[in-house]
Amino acid sequence: AQSVTQLDSQVPVFEEAPVELRCNYSSSVSVYLFWYVQYPNQGLQLLLKYLSGSTLVKGINGFEAEFNKSQTSFHLRKPSVHISDTAEYFCAVSDRKAAGNKLTFGGGTRVLVKP
Amino acid sequence: EADIYQTPRYLVIGTGKKITLECSQTMGHDKMYWYQQDPGMELHLIHYSYGVNSTEKGDLSSESTVSRIRTEHFPLTLESARPSHTSQYLCASSGWDSFSGNTIYFGEGSWLTVV
Repeated sequence: AQSVTQLDSQVPVFEEAPVELRCNYSSSVSVYLFWYVQYPNQGLQLLLKYLSGSTLVKGINGFEAEFNKSQTSFHLRKPSVHISDTAEYFCAVSDRKAAGNKLTFGGGTRVLVKP
Repeated sequence: EADIYQTPRYLVIGTGKKITLECSQTMGHDKMYWYQQDPGMELHLIHYSYGVNSTEKGDLSSESTVSRIRTEHFPLTLESARPSHTSQYLCASSGWDSFSGNTIYFGEGSWLTVV
């Protein structure tokens, strides 16, 4: 079984400032890692994913995340946020070897970008 | 861009009514999922399917039922809706290809309110 902890439930940030959203996971098996974004009243959109290879993963909208196996973390960063980045961000993992690749989600981090 | 569609997007219904939330995907994915998300909360898996005629209960117990008669279609049914069923229901699908790996794609969600 896996669990995902997003350490910050809300992150207020000023426009053009950098932001980091923290994600730690716990798993007894190797996992794939994902970040999804949810804009108000919408479904989830995939931002980026780590499947294998380079631990620094670049996604859409200028986001990137770094997989740290020793710290079991997958923190999401953006060097300069826009108002349009206001949304909820979910970190998720899935078991590499499980047939169903079901996702386990963290509790979400609400990002509020202020002008 | 994922091709997964949910209808209705918004539904307000009286207690005791039967409802079906539709989900269709055009990607030929074999695996499909239903997640439930209460406002401001994390997502929980309630049903999943590995293929036609395959359905399983997820991590969160739900009074809803699902069916998978066709690959592209994975409807969710509540026989008798109650106010406790008020939530957002997100349908998702995944398959395997060298580009997306085991990525799970989400629909835009169905917001159900039971009054």
